[in-house]
Amino acid sequence: EAGVAQSPRYKIIEKRQSVAFWCNPISGHATLYWYQQILGQGPKLLIQFQNNGVVDDSQLPKDRFSAERLKGVDSTLKIQPAKLEDSAVYLCASSLLDRFYGYTFGSGTRLTVV
Amino acid sequence: TQLLEQSPQFLSIQEGENLTVYCNSSSVFSSLQWYRQEPGEGPVLLVTVVTGGEVKKLKRLTFQFGDARKDSSLHITAAQPGDTGLYLCAGTGFFAGNNRKLIWGLGTSLAVNP
Repeated sequence: EAGVAQSPRYKIIEKRQSVAFWCNPISGHATLYWYQQILGQGPKLLIQFQNNGVVDDSQLPKDRFSAERLKGVDSTLKIQPAKLEDSAVYLCASSLLDRFYGYTFGSGTRLTVV
Repeated sequence: TQLLEQSPQFLSIQEGENLTVYCNSSSVFSSLQWYRQEPGEGPVLLVTVVTGGEVKKLKRLTFQFGDARKDSSLHITAAQPGDTGLYLCAGTGFFAGNNRKLIWGLGTSLAVNP
């Protein structure tokens, strides 16, 4: 089966600019997650979707981050405006069942804010 | 706050050696996942353990969940350069209100030299 697709792979922007990331989950996976992984740390959950509804966005900095999942399939994550501390790898993951038993990650988008 | 501590943080060994990495907490977890992450890629799920004392084997990798479900270990026999990567553990814990959360460790960075 095809994996979780993410684009772009790399992005360099200046602070205060905007950026968007795209994710296409594994077909049939109802649950989609966006994670932020800063170098040297484990992934941090930003937002979880169940179909096209938000289940958990408690750690999403809502003043600058937004996410949507159109028609319960693809998803986009946006940062506006970006800060230097947003430099990280943004990972998308999807799962068929409860995430607490494991899920599939995409390759991620490495964002550098200068 | 539930924490997962992984040790060692860094490990560099020669091909053919055996090694063990640890994932420890003072809290009880209902399940625990192990992932391997290679540079520039997302984490890949290796195993999920759910029962105290459980041992799972995946070729040269042996995973154990502690009897009290507070700790886990990953043992690699006859390490190969292809085992190089960041090993992450993630545990499911219960918070007040029966709200489950997935807690990530910071990872063990393993380098296997030929």
